[in-house]
Amino acid sequence: GAGVSQTPSNKVTEKGKYVELRCDPISGHTALYWYRQSLGQGPEFLIYFQGTGAADDSGLPNDRFFAVRPEGSVSTLKIQRTERGDSAVYLCASSPTGESDTQYFGPGTRLTVL
Amino acid sequence: AQTVTQSQPEMSVQEAETVTLSCTYDTSESDYYLFWYKQPPSRQMILVIRQEAYKQQNATENRFSVNFQKAAKSFSLKISDSQLGDAAMYFCAYRLTGANSKLTFGKGITLSVRP
Repeated sequence: GAGVSQTPSNKVTEKGKYVELRCDPISGHTALYWYRQSLGQGPEFLIYFQGTGAADDSGLPNDRFFAVRPEGSVSTLKIQRTERGDSAVYLCASSPTGESDTQYFGPGTRLTVL
Repeated sequence: AQTVTQSQPEMSVQEAETVTLSCTYDTSESDYYLFWYKQPPSRQMILVIRQEAYKQQNATENRFSVNFQKAAKSFSLKISDSQLGDAAMYFCAYRLTGANSKLTFGKGITLSVRP
């Protein structure tokens, strides 16, 4: 079956612009996670969805970051007024239920803010 | 807060030899999971092996095995018969059991394999 997919693969934008990053989880997975991986670092948690609702958004760095999952499947991470420090790889992962499950990762979106 | 430490930034191993990657973690919880993920240049995180903290037996997956020392909070990965395809970044990760179990990752280690 298809794995987690993320689009676009790469995104280059200018400082101050708005961007949207998309994640398609594995079909049937109710749990969805977003992580951010800066250069030379391990991924850091941003937000977790259980179904349509954000169960934990404690990792979002500030109010410029927002994520939605309106139908409990595809999720979009939205970043307003991008800053150069937002440049990173944004990883999405999904798991069947969220409880004691292995998380399966997508290939990530590399965001570059000029 | 839980932390995961990978103190070795890089390691190198000869093809067909064995290498051990180190990881320590800090937690006050007793029930959790530990993972090793592999990240090749394609960026896709691939699960290598998983260990439940309540299990005393060390996990094994083909050429990959772990040495889990709960009291010492140590979780090392041993790769036997190293292959060129094993070259990648390796991340140690921790998560609690139960719902909303986000992963906490270490900084990773770059493994190179010499032919």
